Amino acid sequence: AQTVTQSQPEMSVQEAETVTLSCTYDTSESDYYLFWYKQPPSRQMILVIRQEAYKQQNATENRFSVNFQKAAKSFSLKISDSQLGDAAMYFCAYRSDYGGATNKLIFGTGTLLAVQP
Amino acid sequence: NAGVMQNPRHLVRRRGQEARLRCSPVKGHSHVYWYRQLPEEGLKFMVYLQKENIIDESGMPKERFSAEFPKEGPSILRIQQVVRGDSAAYFCASSLRHPTNEKLFFGSGTQLSVL
Repeated sequence: AQTVTQSQPEMSVQEAETVTLSCTYDTSESDYYLFWYKQPPSRQMILVIRQEAYKQQNATENRFSVNFQKAAKSFSLKISDSQLGDAAMYFCAYRSDYGGATNKLIFGTGTLLAVQP
Repeated sequence: NAGVMQNPRHLVRRRGQEARLRCSPVKGHSHVYWYRQLPEEGLKFMVYLQKENIIDESGMPKERFSAEFPKEGPSILRIQQVVRGDSAAYFCASSLRHPTNEKLFFGSGTQLSVL
């Protein structure tokens, strides 16, 4: 069974600085997707970034980028130029991509990010 | 275009009562997923439904929990004879099609509190 581990329960960053959130996962599959979701106090789950395992190039979305290390099964999220609105819980998630797979996501336990003004 | 709508946002029940949670997917979406988030934990998959069919209920407790997604109307997650351990946030997500490269849209969840 696949597992996702986030070893940092809480992180803090100064506004305008850069922060990296860690995520490791375990799987025997070769085809899968990895995600970072943001959950602000409103509870809405917001997709931040997505990475296909077959792509070697790291995904980037504006100030958000990932460091995907497939062999090490590591998938960290880097937030550059942190803003107050980035404060939230961040979840790393895994999804299989084999022929019969569905959209079932496996989530880590989350990292609570605080942004200091 | 409205997103995934869940209601109620907050639901309080006493032990032994029934809880009914509703989820209206994005218009046109026929795939619905239910997840549960216990305090201090990530979301855990419960059940995946297509219109009128349960496709995968591997994450749903065998007793007291049921889900449906009728041809017309919202998807319903029903919890009978609730216990304190059922207190959690329940999230619904929907997608247009089955393939795994389809984006999932999440609702804002229903917070169930069992007294």
